[in-house]
Amino acid sequence: DARVTQTPRHKVTEMGQEVTMRCQPILGHNTVFWYRQTMMQGLELLAYFRNRAPLDDSGMPKDRFSAEMPDATLATLKIQPSEPRDSAVYFCASGQSRLAGAYNEQFFGPGTRLTVL
Amino acid sequence: GESVGLHLPTLSVQEGDNSIINCAYSNSASDYFIWYKQESGKGPQFIIDIRSNMDKRQGQRVTVLLNKTVKHLSLQIAATQPGDSAVYFCAENSGGSNYKLTFGKGTLLTVNP
Repeated sequence: DARVTQTPRHKVTEMGQEVTMRCQPILGHNTVFWYRQTMMQGLELLAYFRNRAPLDDSGMPKDRFSAEMPDATLATLKIQPSEPRDSAVYFCASGQSRLAGAYNEQFFGPGTRLTVL
Repeated sequence: GESVGLHLPTLSVQEGDNSIINCAYSNSASDYFIWYKQESGKGPQFIIDIRSNMDKRQGQRVTVLLNKTVKHLSLQIAATQPGDSAVYFCAENSGGSNYKLTFGKGTLLTVNP
């Protein structure tokens, strides 16, 4: 069945290193979301794409984070340089935006657990 | 800022009992609410949703109740099973957004056999 896939599932890196997380949205979906989940803050929206265009990245630290969609089957989230406070689980979700003004369901991937030492 | 919060961080029930998970929201402009289930090591999974023009919606073994007067949302799980053990999040479409969700912190439900 159709699922959002994310790689890697786990990543351990040292402070200062670049981290790239990848997401393959469900085929045919035109919206992609990146979330960060921590015990303290819960689930937070980092970025939102619609038809590959970034529409909202207000939740993302601009100095070190960047999100892109090189094509409709790949979304990336990069952190450069990484810091210990970036340790979290990063989720990608995708959806199909159909009706203007109507909320549309998001399907979450399994997440990437990032640990920055 | 406004946020979604939960009354109970943990809930432990016996298998077969009914479970009720509660959630308070504070953004009166939100008009769509969702309950998600998150099992260990997995992403959130949609359970049931409700729009603000309704006060009750039923699914398979689950019911969501919405009380807009007191800004309260609840998830009822009938005949709780061990497979229901997970963290449950409520979420609201932030201020009526058609894409942005504000999530609560989550309630851990443990079902004892």
